[in-house]
Amino acid sequence: AQSVAQPEDQVNVAEGNPLTVKCTYSVSGNPYLFWYVQYPNRGLQFLLKYITGDNLVKGSYGFEAEFNKSQTSFHLKKPSALVSDSALYFCAVRDISGGGNKLTFGTGTQLKVEL
Amino acid sequence: DAGITQSPRHKVTETGTPVTLRCHQTENHRYMYWYRQDPGHGLRLIHYSYGVKDTDKGEVSDGYSVSRSKTEDFLLTLESATSSQTSVYFCAISDRDTEAFFGQGTRLTVV
Repeated sequence: AQSVAQPEDQVNVAEGNPLTVKCTYSVSGNPYLFWYVQYPNRGLQFLLKYITGDNLVKGSYGFEAEFNKSQTSFHLKKPSALVSDSALYFCAVRDISGGGNKLTFGTGTQLKVEL
Repeated sequence: DAGITQSPRHKVTETGTPVTLRCHQTENHRYMYWYRQDPGHGLRLIHYSYGVKDTDKGEVSDGYSVSRSKTEDFLLTLESATSSQTSVYFCAISDRDTEAFFGQGTRLTVV
């Protein structure tokens, strides 16, 4: 069975500094990986995905993620953090059995961007 | 939120009572999902549907049932609510090769 680990419950960063939110995965076969963001009292919003191709994936709101097959990682990055980026971030891997887009999520990382 | 409406948005119910949550989509997507979100667990799949009347279990299906009688509606039923089912429930939709889009969630409290 596939799994995703987000080793940090919380990440703190100063506004204007680069940010990284870590994610490692375990799957059999090729991974389909996703990042979602959740603002307070809202649903999850899709940020970006890796299916195949370039290891650097660009997504919404200036976020990008780097896929590293040898390290089984898919870290989320942004060159310059904003206070408005403060939210809960989830990494997820797709379960390809049975079709559709069933997702296995990590436990989430709370990002706090401070002035 | 990609044409997904969950109802109700908040509900308080008593232990042992049945509860039904509704997910309605206007995107005509084939796949629909129910997840629950709990601290320390992220989101976990309860049930999903791959077409009208076609459903299957997810990771945490015990105590839950679902029905999909038409493309746009996916119902989640707690047959006899327990305190362990206090959670935030999210519906999601997708097509076969698209990312999943989520509703705004239903906060359920079982007292």
